[in-house]
Amino acid sequence: EPEVTQTPSHQVTQMGQEVILRCVPISNHLYFYWYRQILGQKVEFLVSFYNNEISEKSEIFDDQFSVERPDGSNFTLKIRSTKLEDSAMYFCASSPRLQETQYFGPGTRLLVL
Amino acid sequence: KNEVEQSPQNLTAQEGEFITINCSYSVGISALHWLQQHPGGGIVSLFMLSSGKKKHGRLIATINIQEKHSSLHITASHPRDSAVYICAVKAGSNYQLIWGAGTKLIIKP
Repeated sequence: EPEVTQTPSHQVTQMGQEVILRCVPISNHLYFYWYRQILGQKVEFLVSFYNNEISEKSEIFDDQFSVERPDGSNFTLKIRSTKLEDSAMYFCASSPRLQETQYFGPGTRLLVL
Repeated sequence: KNEVEQSPQNLTAQEGEFITINCSYSVGISALHWLQQHPGGGIVSLFMLSSGKKKHGRLIATINIQEKHSSLHITASHPRDSAVYICAVKAGSNYQLIWGAGTKLIIKP
């Protein structure tokens, strides 16, 4: 069964460093999402992406964040200058259409020191 | 005020018991999702519904649009059902899911 994959599974970085989190959505899906979950808190929406552009973003998704679909398969989240409070689990998701089930990747656990 | 409220926050039950988890929301929605999060962190979609009732195996999800309320039921619960169950809503034509805080379910053998 097709699944969403994410790399790396864990990443440790120093404050101020740039990180790129990678996702490979399910191949025929058109809508892509990034969410994050700070330890012990609820999942929060970051951004959605459709037709090669951001379709919606939350207040969390400030200028330090960017997303890209550099080729036909990868979907990346870049954090330009990480802060301690960026430490969280980051989930990528994809769906075939807007009003359909979202399929989640296993997550990348980011720790900023 | 949270837009999505779940109850209870924590639930411990014996194997075989019938489980109900509730979700109330305050916004107009186009769909409501029930998801399961395992201890390792992975998230799996269980149901997406906008009206009525859906059933998959021992899981049943219902929604009452007028009352802005949904329930997730588990029949004949089993220790492998132990997980966090999360309700999330899609508001109108928005893309994002608005998430509840989750209900941590523990089923004891």
